[in-house]
Amino acid sequence: EPEVTQTPSHQVTQMGQEVILRCVPISNHLYFYWYRQILGQKVEFLVSFYNNEISEKSEIFDDQFSVERPDGSNFTLKIRSTKLEDSAMYFCASSEGRGRGYYEQYFGPGTRLTVT
Amino acid sequence: AQTVTQSQPEMSVQEAETVTLSCTYDTSESDYYLFWYKQPPSRQMILVIRQEAYKQQNATENRFSVNFQKAAKSFSLKISDSQLGDAAMYFCAYRVLDTGRRALTFGSGTRLQVQP
Repeated sequence: EPEVTQTPSHQVTQMGQEVILRCVPISNHLYFYWYRQILGQKVEFLVSFYNNEISEKSEIFDDQFSVERPDGSNFTLKIRSTKLEDSAMYFCASSEGRGRGYYEQYFGPGTRLTVT
Repeated sequence: AQTVTQSQPEMSVQEAETVTLSCTYDTSESDYYLFWYKQPPSRQMILVIRQEAYKQQNATENRFSVNFQKAAKSFSLKISDSQLGDAAMYFCAYRVLDTGRRALTFGSGTRLQVQP
């Protein structure tokens, strides 16, 4: 069964450094998402991406964050200058469909980002 | 803004018994989806069950069923004949029906332990 994959599983970086988290969505999916979960807190939506542009974003997704689909398979989240509070588990998800109706979001296993 | 609340951080159930996980939510929208996601240890989140708010009938998927009370904004998950493989973190989630707004809003999760 197709799955969303994420690399790396764990990333350690120093405060102020740039980090790129990578995701390979399910191949026929059209919508892509990033969520994060700070330890002990709720899973929070960051951004959704469709047709090579941001479809929706939350207040968390400020100018420090960017997303890109650099090729036909990868979907990336870049944090330009990491802060301690960016330490979290980051989940990628993807879903089919651009029309009306419901399309399930399939989640990856997550990347644990630790900022020191 | 929508909020989802899970008031039970941890629950425990004996194998073969029934357990109910609670979820309440707050929204001003009339059309929306509600979900229960399961996250086994070190595995990705998978969708367990989905409920459309406009449907009065409670959703059922095999051993999993929901009790959806729209007026009370309550959405509980019942797991019947609990199995060891049901042990996981369970997240309640919400999404508006609008296809342009696909962000999921999650609760804080309930960790379910299944005792043999």
